[in-house]
Amino acid sequence: QVQLKETGPGLVQPTQTLSITCTVSGFSLTSYYMQWVRQTPGKGLEWMGFIRSGGSTEYNSEFKSRLSISRDTSKNQVFLKMNSLKTEDTGVYYCARDSPLRRSLFDYWGQGVMVTVSS
Amino acid sequence: EIVLTQSPTTMAASPGEKVTITCRASSSVSYMHWYQQKPGASPKPWIYDTSKLASGVPNRFSGSGSGTSYSLTISSMETEDTATYYCQQWSSNSLTFGSGTKLEIK
Repeated sequence: QVQLKETGPGLVQPTQTLSITCTVSGFSLTSYYMQWVRQTPGKGLEWMGFIRSGGSTEYNSEFKSRLSISRDTSKNQVFLKMNSLKTEDTGVYYCARDSPLRRSLFDYWGQGVMVTVSS
Repeated sequence: EIVLTQSPTTMAASPGEKVTITCRASSSVSYMHWYQQKPGASPKPWIYDTSKLASGVPNRFSGSGSGTSYSLTISSMETEDTATYYCQQWSSNSLTFGSGTKLEIK
């Protein structure tokens, strides 16, 4: 069955870089867009960006200058890297799969990884 | 960027009561998706393309709307419907969520 799981550091210092891995099973990354969404106390749910089935990316302009999304299809993994972290980046980070029913509908989500930005 | 404004922010309904949650877009959009999120869990797709129920969603739920105004309706509130509901849209290469409506049981 379809599964997504995020792994990453629980704590990151301000100005440092956040790296999160989303490991998927039950489907191929070359057939689906994969999205990143975060949920913060200050802004709620925020779309961060996606990587297309073909490997190209699209980012929310809010994060564009400091966000990178990539993947390793051989390992069924999608990666999020965001630099210059601030305390406001504290929140839960989710990877999600785009539904085959409709682009931009997220049909499967990971459990999320809690990230705290603090010194 | 299209801003989605949900109302109310919080509400409580009695079992059997009809519930309506509204989502207003700052510009016209073609469709709206809705998600349900319970505490400690990830959001789940609930209603997509404005009015289609996601797999497993009870038919007491319905969605409607067009342009800048969309709504999610529960015909008869049940305890298990307690959750936060978010609307979401995608247009012009920008995807946004509403700020959520927390629905509680009275």
